[in-house]
Amino acid sequence: KAGVTQTPRYLIKTRGQQVTLSCSPISGHRSVSWYQQTPGQGLQFLFEYFSETQRNKGNFPGRFSGRQFSNSRSEMNVSTLELGDSALYLCASSPGLAGEQFFGPGTRLTVL
Amino acid sequence: DQQVKQNSPSLSVQEGRISILNCDYTNSMFDYFLWYKKYPAEGPTFLISISSIKDKNEDGRFTVFLNKSAKHLSLHIVPSQPGDSAVYFCAASSGSSNYKLTFGKGTLLTVNP
Repeated sequence: KAGVTQTPRYLIKTRGQQVTLSCSPISGHRSVSWYQQTPGQGLQFLFEYFSETQRNKGNFPGRFSGRQFSNSRSEMNVSTLELGDSALYLCASSPGLAGEQFFGPGTRLTVL
Repeated sequence: DQQVKQNSPSLSVQEGRISILNCDYTNSMFDYFLWYKKYPAEGPTFLISISSIKDKNEDGRFTVFLNKSAKHLSLHIVPSQPGDSAVYFCAASSGSSNYKLTFGKGTLLTVNP
């Protein structure tokens, strides 16, 4: 089975712009979660989608949003980018077993 | 407020010896714990997990121990191999939010040949 794929792998944006990141889960996985990794804060949960519905949400501002499509693919969007949004954004999919999430390689976002 | 803490940013061990990585948590609602390994430029890879109804889980060279009263878990790797060199993350979730993992900040393990 192919693993979790994320596109693009690298992205450079400037402050004030918006960005959309994409995640394709492992075939058959219906849960997709997003995490932000920064050197200072570590890995932090953004949100989780299951069957096109957001089931869980972390403590991030409303500038961070996401959605899931009927084929389980997911996108996350960050509007009005700030310098502090520079991070590695990781997507993880799960077959439904508690907590066992499989991560993609991440998208490295740099905000200038 | 950091609910999952890995107090050792780094650990260095000799090949063939035991590696012990530690993790503490503060949230009593956590009932499922996991360890992930991460290499540079890759996403975290699931290693092993343990439910709060157990105090030990073993998978090959990897064993996770859970001490609920102390809110402490540890990952033992025996014997350690150079390929084990990576950042190890401890993570936790609660029954009400199984898909929301709370991670520690990681421990860099270096296994020297």
